[in-house]
Amino acid sequence: AQSVTQLGSHVSVSEGALVLLRCNYSSSVPPYLFWYVQYPNQGLQLLLKYTSAATLVKGINGFEAEFKKSETSFHLTKPSAHMSDAAEYFCAVSGLQGAQKLVFGQGTRLTINP
Amino acid sequence: DARVTQTPRHKVTEMGQEVTMRCQPILGHNTVFWYRQTMMQGLELLAYFRNRAPLDDSGMPKDRFSAEMPDATLATLKIQPSEPRDSAVYFCASGLGTGGHTEAFFGQGTRLTVV
Repeated sequence: AQSVTQLGSHVSVSEGALVLLRCNYSSSVPPYLFWYVQYPNQGLQLLLKYTSAATLVKGINGFEAEFKKSETSFHLTKPSAHMSDAAEYFCAVSGLQGAQKLVFGQGTRLTINP
Repeated sequence: DARVTQTPRHKVTEMGQEVTMRCQPILGHNTVFWYRQTMMQGLELLAYFRNRAPLDDSGMPKDRFSAEMPDATLATLKIQPSEPRDSAVYFCASGLGTGGHTEAFFGQGTRLTVV
C-alpha cells in the first residue's frame, strides 16, 4: 500500500515564481513527515521535517511545508524560485504503524526556467 | 563534518559475480538504512537496522541479497550472484532513532552496473 504520494513527477516554474510540490500521506494516525532534496549524482539531503510540533515547518534554502491533518497533506513551498533549486524532491514518512523505517514517495523533478 | 561514507562510489561487474558495498554510518547513530534507486522504481527500502540488529529486510530479494552490520562502524550489502537487473544506485543512510521516528542522513551512494 502506498503510504506517501507525490502528485506530479515533473514540475516546471519560472525563476522568481512560487514553487509548490505536493505530498499526501495515507494514515489514520499522523506520522512523521520529511522533505528531502537530491541534486544530480548526490545523496539525499534533508530540507525539513514535521514531528508533531508546529504545523508550519521552515527548512533550509527558503523552503517551508505545512502539515494539514484534514487533508492528509504536507506540501512543500518556496515563495520565489531560484535556478539553484532545480533538483529532485522527495517526500518521506516515518512512524507508520509504529515502525521507524523511512519510506519515500516517487519524487518530483523540479525544473526552473530562466 | 560528520557524514555517511559509502565505498566504492562506482562498481562495474560482470553478471554472476559477487558484489559487496560498504557503509560507514555517522558515529553515534543507531539506525542504518539501505535503499536502491532506479528510474523505474524510485527509492526502495531494502533493509534497515537498529543497534546492529535487522528490523526489516522485507524489501530485499532474499535469494541473492544479504545485509549485515559486523560492528557499529560498518554496514555491508552483498549481492551474490549479481544480475543486470541489479544495476542501480545503492544508498546507505544512518540516523538516530528517537521519539518514534528517524531522521536519515544519506551517503553519496554506490552506482552499480552489472553487465
